[in-house]
Amino acid sequence: EVQLLESGGGLVQPGGSLRLSCVASGHTFSSYALSWVRQAPGKGLEWVSGISGSGGSTYYVDSVKGRFTISRDNSKNTLYLQMNSLRAEDMAVYFCAKDRGYCTGGTCYPRGSFDFWGQGTLVTVSS
Amino acid sequence: QSALTQPASVSGSPGQSITISCTGTSNDVGGYNYVSWYQHHPGKAPKLIIYEVSNRPSGVPERFSGSKSGNTASLTISGLQAEDEADYYCSSYTSISSVVFGGGTKLTVL
Repeated sequence: EVQLLESGGGLVQPGGSLRLSCVASGHTFSSYALSWVRQAPGKGLEWVSGISGSGGSTYYVDSVKGRFTISRDNSKNTLYLQMNSLRAEDMAVYFCAKDRGYCTGGTCYPRGSFDFWGQGTLVTVSS
Repeated sequence: QSALTQPASVSGSPGQSITISCTGTSNDVGGYNYVSWYQHHPGKAPKLIIYEVSNRPSGVPERFSGSKSGNTASLTISGLQAEDEADYYCSSYTSISSVVFGGGTKLTVL
């Protein structure tokens, strides 16, 4: 079983930056794809970004392209989300999630089948 | 990247069956067999209950089943139990290598 633990959330002013981290344990980290999923207050789930097991392929929802960067350090079993130019609409609980994915050529790619989730970290954007 | 369409709410009595629909397009639900369903109790992490349209992860009761026809996927819960009361979300892989969720459905067990 995989355990995921997010950190790095907090209060930031509009236009500011924040870096989220997600440490994984319990499985071969580099063998699976990962994503960030968020839930704004009173709203539904929204996929934000995904990354392949090798880290060589990254994907984003249109609303964060150019502002957010997903990355991973497989030597540290850690997933990151660098968030710049934060807006009020980015305020949400951010979850990291392991994806069952589609695996080929020795790496796995996100497909939206999130079988393990962290507990989430809250990002508040306010002046 | 428009959200998939789900009913805002459904309800049923204990022991009954309910079905939640999830409608997309040929660029997501209709084009791929990567449709998933999640159960979410507020304040907790979402739980995967169906993946790849109709597969149940280990530990998920057989009462939960999934299917797809065209651009619409469905989650059926049979033999409703009080603990099934939660929010349910569908998701799908898309033609632009992204993932899109539905708006969520609140299930009330009467």
